[in-house]
Amino acid sequence: DGGITQSPKYLFRKEGQNVTLSCEQNLNHDAMYWYRQDPGQGLRLIYYSQIVNDFQKGDIAEGYSVSREKKESFPLTVTSAQKNPTAFYLCASSYSRQGRGTEAFFGQGTRLTVV
Amino acid sequence: GQQLNQSPQSMFIQEGEDVSMNCTSSSIFNTWLWYKQDPGEGPVLLIALYKAGELTSNGRLTAQFGITRKDSFLNISASIPSDVGIYFCAGTTSGTYKYIFGTGTRLKVLA
Repeated sequence: DGGITQSPKYLFRKEGQNVTLSCEQNLNHDAMYWYRQDPGQGLRLIYYSQIVNDFQKGDIAEGYSVSREKKESFPLTVTSAQKNPTAFYLCASSYSRQGRGTEAFFGQGTRLTVV
Repeated sequence: GQQLNQSPQSMFIQEGEDVSMNCTSSSIFNTWLWYKQDPGEGPVLLIALYKAGELTSNGRLTAQFGITRKDSFLNISASIPSDVGIYFCAGTTSGTYKYIFGTGTRLKVLA
């Protein structure tokens, strides 16, 4: 089945540690995105990528880093520079064009907690 | 960053009632999407709209792409308890594939 897989579902991190969240898709989508969601809030864009080896900062990129070495994969690293990393992280993908069939689809999310 | 305004922010309704929510933008949109998010899960796509004036249904859900291209509406008929969740709108403006998301409408259904 085609879809987006995020792992792990739950992640605990000690303060001062970097942690990497995984996102894989087999939908053959060009574009991939990372969003952060805080309790009772909407989605805020962290980073997005249209093609391999290229990515752009979103609205809240500070303290995060990404890579896009493969079309199917877009891992997100939450660095120790991120002051308030506890949140729900969502990965999405879509085709990088407009028109029918270009909807964005989401993974199941990773809940990161700093302990 | 730009976000869409969704209204209402939250609503409590009785089971069996119809629900209406909307999303507005200051820019013209080429695409409108509606998602539902259950607690602790990723948003799931409900309806996609690609043409001004388009009216599309998915079961008890009906969504419309506003004629001005600056708004969209979602209606849920005969609500049931499992309709509880957060409903997000999203869209793209001309020349970009990147989706902009609304602030969400939190729906609670009272049995």
